[in-house]
Amino acid sequence: EAGVAQSPRYKIIEKRQSVAFWCNPISGHATLYWYQQILGQGPKLLIQFQNNGVVDDSQLPKDRFSAERLKGVDSTLKIQPAKLEDSAVYLCASSPGTATGELFFGEGSRLTVL
Amino acid sequence: AQSVTQPDIHITVSEGASLELRCNYSYGATPYLFWYVQSPGQGLQLLLKYFSGDTLVQGIKGFEAEFKRSQSSFNLRKPSVHWSDAAEYFCAVGARSGYSTLTFGKGTMLLVSP
Repeated sequence: EAGVAQSPRYKIIEKRQSVAFWCNPISGHATLYWYQQILGQGPKLLIQFQNNGVVDDSQLPKDRFSAERLKGVDSTLKIQPAKLEDSAVYLCASSPGTATGELFFGEGSRLTVL
Repeated sequence: AQSVTQPDIHITVSEGASLELRCNYSYGATPYLFWYVQSPGQGLQLLLKYFSGDTLVQGIKGFEAEFKRSQSSFNLRKPSVHWSDAAEYFCAVGARSGYSTLTFGKGTMLLVSP
């Protein structure tokens, strides 16, 4: 079974530029998550989708971050304009959507903002 | 709101020695509990999980964890550490109702000395 795929793995941009990350979850997984992991900290939830609807985006900085999940499968996370403090690893995870709580993570996309 | 505390930022253990990583959680009822491991440049891999039943749960790579309701703890243990266990370990808590979302602790970095 293929795991969660993310791209790009690494991205370096200047502040105020824009960037987009892509995630393809495990086939059949209804729930998709984007987490932000700043160096030295645990992952923090940015947004959660159930199929193509948003369940929780309370911690998403909506003035600069946006995310969508087209047709309930792939998802894109965009940052525009980027700030220095956005330097982090962006982790995508998926789950079957049942009440088990287990998440399956991709390898992450590491963003460096200069 | 749920939260997780991992009091140890770094732990160094000699190869072959036993290991215990501490985790305390805050949640209004009995949550789902997880331990994930993250090797450098990698995503998070599930080690083990507690949903219900036996409070001592076995995971992959020889790890186990014990849920203690009275102490709100879910400590991770391994009787004999191998050099390949060096990584960062995250404890996470998830709600039993509604859509599953995990809240992570800040992690404990395990260093293994020869």
